[in-house]
Amino acid sequence: QQQVKQSPQSLIVQKGGISIINCAYENTAFDYFPWYQQFPGKGPALLIAIRPDVSEKKEGRFTISFNKSAKQFSLHIMDSQPGDSATYFCAASSMGSGNTPLVFGKGTRLSVIA
Amino acid sequence: NAGVMQNPRHLVRRRGQEARLRCSPMKGHSHVYWYRQLPEEGLKFMVYLQKENIIDESGMPKERFSAEFPKEGPSILRIQQVVRGDSAAYFCASSLGGTDTQYFGPGTRLTVL
Repeated sequence: QQQVKQSPQSLIVQKGGISIINCAYENTAFDYFPWYQQFPGKGPALLIAIRPDVSEKKEGRFTISFNKSAKQFSLHIMDSQPGDSATYFCAASSMGSGNTPLVFGKGTRLSVIA
Repeated sequence: NAGVMQNPRHLVRRRGQEARLRCSPMKGHSHVYWYRQLPEEGLKFMVYLQKENIIDESGMPKERFSAEFPKEGPSILRIQQVVRGDSAAYFCASSLGGTDTQYFGPGTRLTVL
């Protein structure tokens, strides 16, 4: 499986600030890019996802930016809140080719402090 | 609307024993994926199953690990003769179809003593 590289490994943001997490991939066959949020002791929960036919997708305070030529995508959390403190994983898969298992980044541990 | 269910939530085994992990997909979902998460690591794909079929097992170790998803009942991930390196959180995810969103269960945390 091709890797998905995620950075930073950990992030501390002030309440109300913007959290930015970046991911890069190599496999040009990837065509589905979800972000998952995981709280300690819980399973990952889908936050937002994007396909490469759009460059940006916004849902509430969460925005994915996608740069197909650079093979990079990022998650922006606006007005970050303490309740956003969790581990965030980017992932990718090749839905179009039927290769649907997700390839995950290593995760970013976000701490939002008051 | 019950989500993906996994049991047990915590499992302790001694080296050499067998571990059986169960996953009940969301209602109506016929696709199941198993992933393993080591501490401070992302999730790694192990196996993808549909009812009575293994679709992709490219991420599963060739020895000691097996998975099934019978026509009736939950999907089972079986680890024979466990070793300490098998200690991890094992997550299953289900989807309606092969290209639909994967929903994850709460995981089974396996500890091998």
